[in-house]
Amino acid sequence: QQQVKQSPQSLIVQKGGISIINCAYENTAFDYFPWYQQFPGKGPALLIAIRPDVSEKKEGRFTISFNKSAKQFSLHIMDSQPGDSATYFCAASGGGGADGLTFGKGTHLIIQP
Amino acid sequence: DTEVTQTPKHLVMGMTNKKSLKCEQHMGHRAMYWYKQKAKKPPELMFVYSYEKLSINESVPSRFSPECPNSSLLNLHLHALQPEDSALYLCASSQRRGYNEQFFGPGTRLTVL
Repeated sequence: QQQVKQSPQSLIVQKGGISIINCAYENTAFDYFPWYQQFPGKGPALLIAIRPDVSEKKEGRFTISFNKSAKQFSLHIMDSQPGDSATYFCAASGGGGADGLTFGKGTHLIIQP
Repeated sequence: DTEVTQTPKHLVMGMTNKKSLKCEQHMGHRAMYWYKQKAKKPPELMFVYSYEKLSINESVPSRFSPECPNSSLLNLHLHALQPEDSALYLCASSQRRGYNEQFFGPGTRLTVL
């Protein structure tokens, strides 16, 4: 059973556009929702994270929107740049003493010049 | 310093070889993790160490043997691996077990012939 569903699987956005990636979770015990960015051959890098007590968090061009009632959260990348081309993973953790991160399947983002 | 280092970067081994992967962090974190990542898939949790003691083993085959010699080091000993074990092996750390913010190393790309 996949506990974090991520969409789309792949995304192509023009330079300067807004990239939007969505995730939905099932486990209401989750209380921490990070986004990781991964370039080919590299480890995932923590990009931005949110907890359920806030509905939005912004860091530079990256914004997380969180809808607790719908159990959904999304990543918005404003003014998308070719250097943003990477695979993005949403994740969730927390509750029940869980230690590891439960990842979505990933979104391969391509920003076209 | 928010860096997790891993050596070697690449490893090619035969099915009868014994090799080890090494992970190191100097952030004072007391929880360390091993993840396995297959191509185009999200990372999957293998082991969790908390205060140098193994906390979680996610049903990983015994041909993978973790070791935590001290609070900064984490090893993964490999023996009699199968070609399907070829993957990117990622180490991560967090302040303590259950603390959500995890920092990943660059990974070791393992190829089993």
